[in-house]
Amino acid sequence: GAGVSQSPSNKVTEKGKDVELRCDPISGHTALYWYRQSLGQGLEFLIYFQGNSAPDKSGLPSDRFSAERTGGSVSTLTIQRTQQEDSAVYLCASSPTPDRNSPLHFGNGTRLTVT
Amino acid sequence: KNEVEQSPQNLTAQEGEFITINCSYSVGISALHWLQQHPGGGIVSLFMLSSGKKKHGRLIATINIQEKHSSLHITASHPRDSAVYICAYGGSNYKLTFGKGTLLTVNP
Repeated sequence: GAGVSQSPSNKVTEKGKDVELRCDPISGHTALYWYRQSLGQGLEFLIYFQGNSAPDKSGLPSDRFSAERTGGSVSTLTIQRTQQEDSAVYLCASSPTPDRNSPLHFGNGTRLTVT
Repeated sequence: KNEVEQSPQNLTAQEGEFITINCSYSVGISALHWLQQHPGGGIVSLFMLSSGKKKHGRLIATINIQEKHSSLHITASHPRDSAVYICAYGGSNYKLTFGKGTLLTVNP
C-alpha cells in the first residue's frame, strides 16, 4: 500500500519567499506529525494533528510557520518569509491511532534550501 | 543538554560483527523508539518498546526502564545495515524527543 507521501522532494527558494510543503498521510491514519531535521542536528518536533482536535503547535519555531490539515487527511506546512536558517529536511509522519505510542510511518521528506 | 544521549556517535564495523548502539534518557517515558535513516532516504521505524526486549530478524532492541537505558543490537552485520540509527522517546505527550543518532558504517 502507499506510504506517507511528501511533495516536493526538493525545494530551493530565495530568502523572503513563502513556501508550502505537502504531506499525504497513509489513508485512515488519524495522527499526523511534522518534524524538522537541520544539518548536523537531530530531529525536532514541529506540530501534531489528531483527528478534528486543535493541533499542537508548540514546536513551531516562529510565527512564520503554520500548518493546516484539511479533511483530516492532507496537511500543508507553510513557511512565510523564509530565512536561511529554515533550510532543513522537513519530515511528515502519520500513525494509525490516537495512541501516542503508535508506531510512526515517515515520508521521505522535503529538502528545503533557502538561498 | 540533550535529554536523549546516544553512543557511540559514529561506529565502523566489519561485516559479520555484532553491533551495539546505546541510548540513555533522563525522564520517565511511556515508549521508546528506534528508527533507521539511510543516506538520502526516509526514516523507518524499527522498534517501539516500553519494556523488555523485541526482536526482528537480525535486530534486537532492549530497554531497562529503571535504568533509563535502551540498546539496539545487530547480529551478523552487513553493509546494507549502514545507516543512521536514532533513538527517540515518547513521554507524557506525543512529541517525540530524539537523540542525535549513531552513524553506523559496515565495511565488507
